[in-house]
Amino acid sequence: TQLLEQSPQFLSIQEGENLTVYCNSSSVFSSLQWYRQEPGEGPVLLVTVVTGGEVKKLKRLTFQFGDARKDSSLHITAAQPGDTGLYLCAGRLMEYGNKLVFGAGTILRVKS
Amino acid sequence: SQTIHQWPATLVQPVGSPLSLECTVEGTSNPNLYWYRQAAGRGLQLLFYSVGIGQISSEVPQNLSASRPQDRQFILSSKKLLLSDSGFYLCAWNRDRYEKLFFGSGTQLSVL
Repeated sequence: TQLLEQSPQFLSIQEGENLTVYCNSSSVFSSLQWYRQEPGEGPVLLVTVVTGGEVKKLKRLTFQFGDARKDSSLHITAAQPGDTGLYLCAGRLMEYGNKLVFGAGTILRVKS
Repeated sequence: SQTIHQWPATLVQPVGSPLSLECTVEGTSNPNLYWYRQAAGRGLQLLFYSVGIGQISSEVPQNLSASRPQDRQFILSSKKLLLSDSGFYLCAWNRDRYEKLFFGSGTQLSVL
């Protein structure tokens, strides 16, 4: 059983389209991180969110942390082929002693 | 600046053979070190972490072991590999256990 669910598992879109990736848990996160991973490489941190309702922007990427700190979303505006990769959310679950748990990831493919 | 090195990048090993993967961190002292395994379609699973020389915590029972002979060196080993040990192995570090993780470039292990 996954403590942290990510959806969708796979997303294939055209360049210029918008998309949203979701990360959900039944438990409360003390903090949540989003990473991006390219094939054959390790994940690289994009953002950390801590406060419920927090919104952070990184160029065309918008990250939102749910008010109850049980969910998060990553929205990409006008996707580009360079956005292609595996997007992982990782959260520290208060119920599990702030252990860092990773989601299974969303594979994003942006076609030109 | 800090860097993390992990090798080899790819490895093909027969069942029953030994394993040794090495990870070193440069540019920092007393890092927390981690070994993760990433299976296709799944998130990262924490295997071991270490907060200091000779201090190893195991997250899941398995056929693998870890050692930290020096402050910035972390080694993942097995005496006899199983087919189920195949996967993408990632080493990571951070200064504080609740900080973001910095990942190495990973080792793709295929056990045949």
